[in-house]
Amino acid sequence: NAGVTQTPKFQVLKTGQSMTLQCAQDMNHNSMYWYRQDPGMGLRLIYYSASEGTTDKGEVPNGYNVSRLNKREFSLRLESAAPSQTSVYFCASSEAQWQDLEAFFGQGTRLTVV
Amino acid sequence: GDSVTQMEGPVTLSEEAFLTINCTYTATGYPSLFWYVQYPGEGLQLLLKATKADDKGSNKGFEATYRKETTSFHLEKGSVQVSDSAVYFCAPRERYSTLTFGKGTMLLVSP
Repeated sequence: NAGVTQTPKFQVLKTGQSMTLQCAQDMNHNSMYWYRQDPGMGLRLIYYSASEGTTDKGEVPNGYNVSRLNKREFSLRLESAAPSQTSVYFCASSEAQWQDLEAFFGQGTRLTVV
Repeated sequence: GDSVTQMEGPVTLSEEAFLTINCTYTATGYPSLFWYVQYPGEGLQLLLKATKADDKGSNKGFEATYRKETTSFHLEKGSVQVSDSAVYFCAPRERYSTLTFGKGTMLLVSP
């Protein structure tokens, strides 16, 4: 039972470098999400995809782009990394964008920008 | 939009003590309510949920009751264990919307 798989688990970037965080789910879910977790801030939504072919901004989208490659995969791209993007990033998915459905989370990617 | 207020942590307890973690929320509609738990080094996982007023969600000895009149969803457990040490997140979810997370409450249980 893989669930939601994120790669890589750890990454160190220099300021200005770019990278893509990968996320894949094997539960045939329609909706996928990217969150960042910072100390004392909880989880904040970066972008989400309610269904294949759609993406929308969340609370903190600046500095990020996303691609819903297909129903399984939802990637997050940092075009020019900044120290403020040092965080733990979580991908999640849910069956649909309905209120009583739980979200399933990946193990996270710990990103450090120096 | 929604907002969630959780009690500040860390909450430190001895094994077998009673636990309460308070959560209140504001919402424009009638959300479903969730508690998620994050064990060290892991992602979040669902602990319990309630989808309508007066519903009680329960799992692994934890309980929370959906109180619409006070817009609260407090988490309780009668006797905590060391293995319950984790960060707990309260999260409402409105219709056709995404989860909104509180800042999380760290629970530390000592033997």
